[in-house]
Amino acid sequence: QKEVEQNSGPLSVPEGAIASLNCTYSDRGSQSFFWYRQYSGKSPELIMFIYSNGDKEDGRFTAQLNKASQYVSLLIRDSQPSDSATYLCAVFPPSSYKLIFGSGTRLLVRP
Amino acid sequence: DTAVSQTPKYLVTQMGNDKSIKCEQNLGHDTMYWYKQDSKKFLKIMFSYNNKELIINETVPNRFSPKSPDKAHLNLHINSLELGDSAVYFCASSQGQGNMNTEAFFGQGTRLTVV
Repeated sequence: QKEVEQNSGPLSVPEGAIASLNCTYSDRGSQSFFWYRQYSGKSPELIMFIYSNGDKEDGRFTAQLNKASQYVSLLIRDSQPSDSATYLCAVFPPSSYKLIFGSGTRLLVRP
Repeated sequence: DTAVSQTPKYLVTQMGNDKSIKCEQNLGHDTMYWYKQDSKKFLKIMFSYNNKELIINETVPNRFSPKSPDKAHLNLHINSLELGDSAVYFCASSQGQGNMNTEAFFGQGTRLTVV
């Protein structure tokens, strides 16, 4: 089992729709969870972090964490073509000095 | 002011050569990393340093030798380069440890091409 799993996509949504990106992780003790966005040829850029169960909203982005189900998601409301990128879920396992990434989900927002 | 900077941005070299990539962060973080992103875009951790000490070595060939002269710098030296080393290498840094690490910030990447 991979430590952090994501559907590779591509996930295609029309402009203005809600994009829902999902991630599961294997280490139940993990406490820190991150979503990064990576445009082609660029470095990963942090969008959201979440540490507690529930929802965390920042503008058009909402991160959701369910530790019981070992599940993290990212919702993007009012999707724009400029949101088209690969979204990487990342987790710090407990007592670890390494940030583990999923393989990323490619999002395509159609104009 | 760039938070995490790495040089060079592009590196093209022949098989068998030795090359280095430099990384510096001005965020005051105590943990630094090297990641390798292959052609399938998977970001895989190679090394993790905390306060200049090697903490994680993810079964990387010993041709790869990281060096951290101080908390703000983590360089990567690669000996006897092979075709399979071609990838984008990212440096990153974060603060904290274990359960409550803060987010990691990435450098712009070094695209290494071995010919």
